[in-house]
Amino acid sequence: AQSVTQLGSHVSVSEGALVLLRCNYSSSVPPYLFWYVQYPNQGLQLLLKYTSAATLVKGINGFEAEFKKSETSFHLTKPSAHMSDAAEYFCAVSVTGGGNKLTFGTGTQLKVEL
Amino acid sequence: DVKVTQSSRYLVKRTGEKVFLECVQDMDHENMFWYRQDPGLGLRLIYFSYDVKMKEKGDIPEGYSVSREKKERFSLILESASTNQTSMYLCASSLSIVLASGTSTDTQYFGPGTRLTVL
Repeated sequence: AQSVTQLGSHVSVSEGALVLLRCNYSSSVPPYLFWYVQYPNQGLQLLLKYTSAATLVKGINGFEAEFKKSETSFHLTKPSAHMSDAAEYFCAVSVTGGGNKLTFGTGTQLKVEL
Repeated sequence: DVKVTQSSRYLVKRTGEKVFLECVQDMDHENMFWYRQDPGLGLRLIYFSYDVKMKEKGDIPEGYSVSREKKERFSLILESASTNQTSMYLCASSLSIVLASGTSTDTQYFGPGTRLTVL
């Protein structure tokens, strides 16, 4: 079965600083990987997804993530944080033939300070 | 744009009550999902459905049931609500995509969530 580990339940950065949210996955077959964002009192919104095409994936709002098979990682980055990036971020994995299910990490709360 | 709507944003019920949470999607998606979200636990899959009248258990189905009589609507039912079912409930839908390696789901689109409190 596949799984996802998000390191750091809370991350705090200064406005304008680099954002790095970590995600490691476990899967016995090639995975599809996703990053979702949840703003307060809202549902989840897709930021970006990896589906075995380019290993560097660009998403909305200036975010990107790189799939590294050797490290089983899919870390989310943004060069310069903005106050509006404050939210909870979830990494998720699914596999073909895995019952079409997403398995989510436990989430990382991003705080952006002035 | 895909739109997934949930019948209530906030709901308060008493222990032992039967609770219905409704989810409707407007994009003719085959797949629909119910998750619960709890702090520190992320999202956990309760039930999902690939087609009308079809359902499969997720990771935490105990205490829940579902109904899918129409393609666009997926209901989550708490037969006898308990305080440990106080949570945020999220519905999602997706298309199925057929790849050379097998069928998989496309991006899941989420509703705004229902915050259920059981007293």
